[in-house]
Amino acid sequence: QKEVEQNSGPLSVPEGAIASLNCTYSDRGSQSFFWYRQYSGKSPELIMSIYSNGDKEDGRFTAQLNKASQYVSLLIRDSQPSDSATYLCAVRGNTDKLIFGTGTRLQVFP
Amino acid sequence: DTGVSQDPRHKITKRGQNVTFRCDPISEHNRLYWYRQTLGQGPEFLTYFQNEAQLEKSRLLSDRFSAERPKGSFSTLEIQRTEQGDSAMYLCASSNPLRGANTGELFFGEGSRLTVL
Repeated sequence: QKEVEQNSGPLSVPEGAIASLNCTYSDRGSQSFFWYRQYSGKSPELIMSIYSNGDKEDGRFTAQLNKASQYVSLLIRDSQPSDSATYLCAVRGNTDKLIFGTGTRLQVFP
Repeated sequence: DTGVSQDPRHKITKRGQNVTFRCDPISEHNRLYWYRQTLGQGPEFLTYFQNEAQLEKSRLLSDRFSAERPKGSFSTLEIQRTEQGDSAMYLCASSNPLRGANTGELFFGEGSRLTVL
């Protein structure tokens, strides 16, 4: 079992719709959770962090964490073509490194 | 502050040659990480430093890979006797875990792309 699992996609949504990206992790002791956006040929860029159960909203982005289910998700409201990218879920456990999933490719079409 | 800087951005080398990459972290960040990323995969952890101390090294990393951060500022990643399987993007990231509640947030450089022929 991979430590951090994501559906590789692509996830295709129309402009203006809600995109829902999901991630599961195996280390029950994980404490910090992150979503990074990566455009093709570019480096990952942090867009959300979440540390406790529940929802965290920042503009059009909402991160959701459920530690009991070992599940973290990212919702993107009013999706725009500029949101088309690969979204990486990253988890920090008891060590100080981040473990990344393989990423979900999101395509937003006009 | 210009963020995390990596050099060179691109490197093409022949199999068997040695290559070295340099990373300059954000100035107040005391942690520095190296990751490797291949097409269609997420970044894979290689090693990390706190100041000049190398605190963890991936067990997947062969002895051909070595990293240093001699003065706790910039870091180098050297790959000896390169193989075609080493072709990847090598990403450097830094963080400052002492800064409030933002523990674990990494800020990445633009990466150094290695092609081994």
